[in-house]
Amino acid sequence: QVQLVQSGAEVKNPGASVKVSCRPSGYTFTDYWIHWMRQAPGRGLEWVGWINSKTGGTTSAQKFQGRVTMTRDTSISTAYMELSSLTSDDTAVYYCARGVADTGGRWFDPWGQGTLVTVSS
Amino acid sequence: DIQMTQSPSSLSASVGDRVTITCRASQSIITYLNWYQQKPGKAPKLLIYAASSLQSGVPSRFSGSGSGTDFTLTISSLQPEDYGTYYCQQSSSVPRTFGGGTRVEIK
Repeated sequence: QVQLVQSGAEVKNPGASVKVSCRPSGYTFTDYWIHWMRQAPGRGLEWVGWINSKTGGTTSAQKFQGRVTMTRDTSISTAYMELSSLTSDDTAVYYCARGVADTGGRWFDPWGQGTLVTVSS
Repeated sequence: DIQMTQSPSSLSASVGDRVTITCRASQSIITYLNWYQQKPGKAPKLLIYAASSLQSGVPSRFSGSGSGTDFTLTISSLQPEDYGTYYCQQSSSVPRTFGGGTRVEIK
């Protein structure tokens, strides 16, 4: 079955960077884009950006531009999201999800289990 | 950015009740609208895509409707396992945006 497995929880100091990995299985990695979302404690979902797993092209939400780097390694079928200059506002669970698209629409399915990133001094 | 507004923000209903959640987009998104269910401590799960298509494996008591700016998620007969928070999400344009969520509690 299709599943996405993410790396484990991280604790970072303010100003540091964090890199989260996402390893899909059950399908051909380069056939689907990977999207990244986050959810602050007790809050709703926020889209961070996507990476085209085949070409490596990326698009991110304006608020993260300059601070987020999304990459992938096709040799090990893994996607990465790195966020720099962390502040306490970046404390959240970060999710990756497979982006599915057809003529009828575009959606996220399935999602990884989430990676808690805590920013604290 | 397209704003997604959900209502109500929370509801409490009994098993067997018909539950309706609405989602309004700040501009037309045609049918580029998806619904997710999230249980506490878990990742979101896709329920409905393209406004009205039921994801494989999702019970048929869930249905979606709407187009343009106004959308609805309906649970025809609420079950105990349907607790959680429901989110709508638009995929018409970048950035992808989510509604604020509707928390569903079982009485």
